[in-house]
Amino acid sequence: GQQLNQSPQSMFIQEGEDVSMNCTSSSIFNTWLWYKQDPGEGPVLLIALYKAGELTSNGRLTAQFGITRKDSFLNISASIPSDVGIYFCAGQPDNYGQNFVFGPGTRLSVLP
Amino acid sequence: DSGVTQTPKHLITATGQRVTLRCSPRSGDLSVYWYQQSLDQGLQFLIQYYNGEERAKGNILERFSAQQFPDLHSELNLSSLELGDSALYFCASSVGASPTSEQYFGPGTRLTVT
Repeated sequence: GQQLNQSPQSMFIQEGEDVSMNCTSSSIFNTWLWYKQDPGEGPVLLIALYKAGELTSNGRLTAQFGITRKDSFLNISASIPSDVGIYFCAGQPDNYGQNFVFGPGTRLSVLP
Repeated sequence: DSGVTQTPKHLITATGQRVTLRCSPRSGDLSVYWYQQSLDQGLQFLIQYYNGEERAKGNILERFSAQQFPDLHSELNLSSLELGDSALYFCASSVGASPTSEQYFGPGTRLTVT
């Protein structure tokens, strides 16, 4: 079945730095979603992408749907302590009726 | 607050027992999805219901079952519980049945099997 890889697995950054993470697959996807999960909480939807090449922003977050439709990127600018958490990508495979597949997540830590 | 509610928040039970988890979707959403998240694991899709009917099945064990009621709330039943069933169980909802519909997650139920 389709699998998603996320990199990096974890990252430690200084407050104020920009962050970049990605989600890749060997299969084509139609839709990408990016979620953030705080410990013990449910994932919160950050950004949804529907077309190859699409670039969408939500405050300090920007995500892009890769041209090949096999990847997506999430960037966070000027990180702050509350950005700490696990960021999951989810892709909807290019098979009719297939539900979203979730990546294993990127764990972000922000150092003051 | 996503608008999706789940009860209970925590559940502790013994092996071999049966439990029921409950989810109420966002107002207006017709689809409900159930996911399992084990420690340090990603989200595993279990099952989807749309307007009372089963829509899609993922990696759901035969010991697990779900249903969606006429008022659109859903229940996930877990039986013959094993230690490995300890996990966070999330419910998500979306407006439509389409797999491309944006899903909004509830706060989860943490199940501990002892």
